[in-house]
Amino acid sequence: DQQVKQNSPSLSVQEGRISILNCDYTNSMFDYFLWYKKYPAEGPTFLISISSIKDKNEDGRFTVFLNKSAKHLSLHIVPSQPGDSAVYFCAASNYGGSQGNLIFGKGTKLSVKP
Amino acid sequence: ETGVTQTPRHLVMGMTNKKSLKCEQHLGHNAMYWYKQSAKKPLELMFVYNFKEQTENNSVPSRFSPECPNSSHLFLHLHTLQPEDSALYLCASSPGVDEKLFFGSGTQLSVL
Repeated sequence: DQQVKQNSPSLSVQEGRISILNCDYTNSMFDYFLWYKKYPAEGPTFLISISSIKDKNEDGRFTVFLNKSAKHLSLHIVPSQPGDSAVYFCAASNYGGSQGNLIFGKGTKLSVKP
Repeated sequence: ETGVTQTPRHLVMGMTNKKSLKCEQHLGHNAMYWYKQSAKKPLELMFVYNFKEQTENNSVPSRFSPECPNSSHLFLHLHTLQPEDSALYLCASSPGVDEKLFFGSGTQLSVL
């Protein structure tokens, strides 16, 4: 049973608009959440993270929101740019443990159209 | 460039072959990892090494054999693989085991 779910395999957005990528998790012990971005033929690269003691973390155009009661997090990209087109992975861990035990979602492929 | 280099980028092998995947990091990190990404599946952790010691083996079949001779190098030795082992194999490193991961570009493996 998947502990981290990204239910939308793909998302298409117009340049300049907001992209919202969603992620749900089932394990209430998770207390650290990350988003990774992956371009074709490259490994995932770290994008942004959030600890469970926060409900929002912002870094430039990227904001992650965490709703612990709903076990839901989302990544907002504003404004979206064509270079943001990539696969986005949500990941979760128990920060008290090894981050090597990150549990990943299947990813959402974002396409930003000019 | 993340500082984590994997070779080869692509590998095709038969079920009776023996091959090795190599990973090298120039970041001074102490932890290294092997992940597997199969089509339409999440990234799966395979092995974790911390200061050259294996700290995690995520129920990986013995036909996959990791080796970590030092904190900068990580190998994955492959033998008698199955077609279902075809996947993208990603190496990652981190300063410590509780810090963010830096991934290599991966080796796309096809087992015929």
